[in-house]
Amino acid sequence: GAVVSQHPSRVICKSGTSVKIECRSLDFQATTMFWYRQFPKQSLMLMATSNEGSKATYEQGVEKDKFLINHASLTLSTLTVTSAHPEDSSFYICSASRTGAPLHFGNGTRLTVT
Amino acid sequence: GENVEQHPSTLSVQEGDSAVIKCTYSDSASNYFPWYKQELGKGPQLIIDIRSNVGEKKDQRIAVTLNKTAKHFSLHITETQPEDSAVYFCAADTGTASKLTFGTGTRLQVTL
Repeated sequence: GAVVSQHPSRVICKSGTSVKIECRSLDFQATTMFWYRQFPKQSLMLMATSNEGSKATYEQGVEKDKFLINHASLTLSTLTVTSAHPEDSSFYICSASRTGAPLHFGNGTRLTVT
Repeated sequence: GENVEQHPSTLSVQEGDSAVIKCTYSDSASNYFPWYKQELGKGPQLIIDIRSNVGEKKDQRIAVTLNKTAKHFSLHITETQPEDSAVYFCAADTGTASKLTFGTGTRLQVTL
């Protein structure tokens, strides 16, 4: 079945540094990838939609300069949290989509900014 | 935009009993309704989905029903087991690039 791989699973960084999270579709070409953020005991909030070869579309209230998304190939999208601060600490989850198929999620990345 | 409400927020059942989680949606254009199970520290896993041209779908102990007129859909888990304990999310999609709108989640606890 379809598998979405996300790395790293956990990362701790110091305030002011940048962190890159990778999302890969392992056995299919993903036309679209999505990035979500999830706070403890809350639902998934869509941050941005990423299409291969084009600029990401960000949801209202999400700072595109802070959360840089690159979708350079049909199997890889990256989310870079720039100049991270403690309030950016969260669980970030990616998902990958291909036309007509259900959405599959990665296992998430727990980001802790100290 | 789409708004998905989910109830209850927590649900505790005894092993072997059934569990039902209900969701309502607002956008009549939504035509795809997946359910995800999320275990602690992991990403959501698709457990079942239904499209708007179908009223019910079943997969072993899991079933989903859809009432398009009332704009609600439900997840039914029968013969619950401790490993069913997790957070369950419903979602709705209008079919535009798989952009899902999620419900608020239901924490299911199956007790022995």
